Amino acid sequence: TQLLEQSPQFLSIQEGENLTVYCNSSSVFSSLQWYRQEPGEGPVLLVTVVTGGEVKKLKRLTFQFGDARKDSSLHITAAQPGDTGLYLCAGVIGGYQKVTFGTGTKLQVIP
Amino acid sequence: KAGVTQTPRYLIKTRGQQVTLSCSPISGHRSVSWYQQTPGQGLQFLFEYFSETQRNKGNFPGRFSGRQFSNSRSEMNVSTLELGDSALYLCASSREGFEKLFFGSGTQLSVL
Repeated sequence: TQLLEQSPQFLSIQEGENLTVYCNSSSVFSSLQWYRQEPGEGPVLLVTVVTGGEVKKLKRLTFQFGDARKDSSLHITAAQPGDTGLYLCAGVIGGYQKVTFGTGTKLQVIP
Repeated sequence: KAGVTQTPRYLIKTRGQQVTLSCSPISGHRSVSWYQQTPGQGLQFLFEYFSETQRNKGNFPGRFSGRQFSNSRSEMNVSTLELGDSALYLCASSREGFEKLFFGSGTQLSVL
């Protein structure tokens, strides 16, 4: 069974702080996605990274795909209360062959 | 453009009963996938349908089944419910596969 381990599992920080969430696996993925989920809702796609070493930025969020396409990181600069939620990474193999979700990182940003 | 619609939003059942959940994908999306989310196990893949055919299946017992209709709407069924089946069941749709998933708000199932 493929596993996608995320760390940390929980994170509680003050508004304005920076943070990094990690997503690690021993498997190689065709692409890796990051989602954010708020209570009572389904996950919402933030970004998809496809190429090893790829870096994508979404306002204050920076996503990186590892060179070997086995791991990824999400860095948030100057976190805001609106960033609060459950962050999930998801590794995809072959487009439609397999998808595995990470264990999740619950982020709380305190005003 | 309407999003993914899941019904019902909440369900309460007792052990041994069966349940059917419904998912209407975004118009034009042919792939529908289902997931179970629990605090302990996280988000786990159940199965995926594309053009009425099951293409992929996760590691769940045969009590969990699904189907997809010609209009891409999908249903999942859980028979002989167990307490451990209590979870948020999410469906997601996409054009082709897992490359860009759009999730519904889920059905919260409680088994008593």
